[in-house]
Amino acid sequence: GDSVTQMEGPVTLSEEAFLTINCTYTATGYPSLFWYVQYPGEGLQLLLKATKADDKGSNKGFEATYRKETTSFHLEKGSVQVSDSAVYFCALPRSYNTDKLIFGTGTRLQVFP
Amino acid sequence: DAGVTQSPTHLIKTRGQQVTLRCSPKSGHDTVSWYQQALGQGPQFIFQYYEEEERQRGNFPDRFSGHQFPNYSSELNVNALLLGDSALYLCASSLRPNTEAFFGQGTRLTVV
Repeated sequence: GDSVTQMEGPVTLSEEAFLTINCTYTATGYPSLFWYVQYPGEGLQLLLKATKADDKGSNKGFEATYRKETTSFHLEKGSVQVSDSAVYFCALPRSYNTDKLIFGTGTRLQVFP
Repeated sequence: DAGVTQSPTHLIKTRGQQVTLRCSPKSGHDTVSWYQQALGQGPQFIFQYYEEEERQRGNFPDRFSGHQFPNYSSELNVNALLLGDSALYLCASSLRPNTEAFFGQGTRLTVV
């Protein structure tokens, strides 16, 4: 069945460092892909999305490119801040339903000043 | 505009008991989905309600049931609680089925 695999965390970085969180997926066809973020004590927030192959989603300095050749959707940010410390989830829709999602296990990011 | 609200925020129950969690969707949204997030894991889809009916269900036993009311709010019920049911339960609402999901802050359930 469809699934998402994320790199294990925690990822620990100093402020202003470059961030990459890897995500690969297994799916039939070319579904939309999402990154959600969960700040401490909060629910999930949609960070960015891409709806078709080669699309680049971006938001708040974060970017991810939908690569169908490598079935990947890696999350990147050029310069992280302490406020980016959170858990990041890669996700894809169940049977193309964008409100019924399959999530990865999450990657915790810790940024230190 | 209030987002998705869930109650209670925290709950402690004993094995074998029953629990009811509540969710009010974002204003204008008529579709509610429930997820279970175990510690250190990603959320797992439980089921979705639309037009007061369960529309799709994930791989969860019948001990998990739900309801949607005419005002679109929803309840998640879990019977015969097990220790393994301890998790963060997230509610998400969407404008209609198959549109972007907006998540609440969740209810932390601890079964002892």
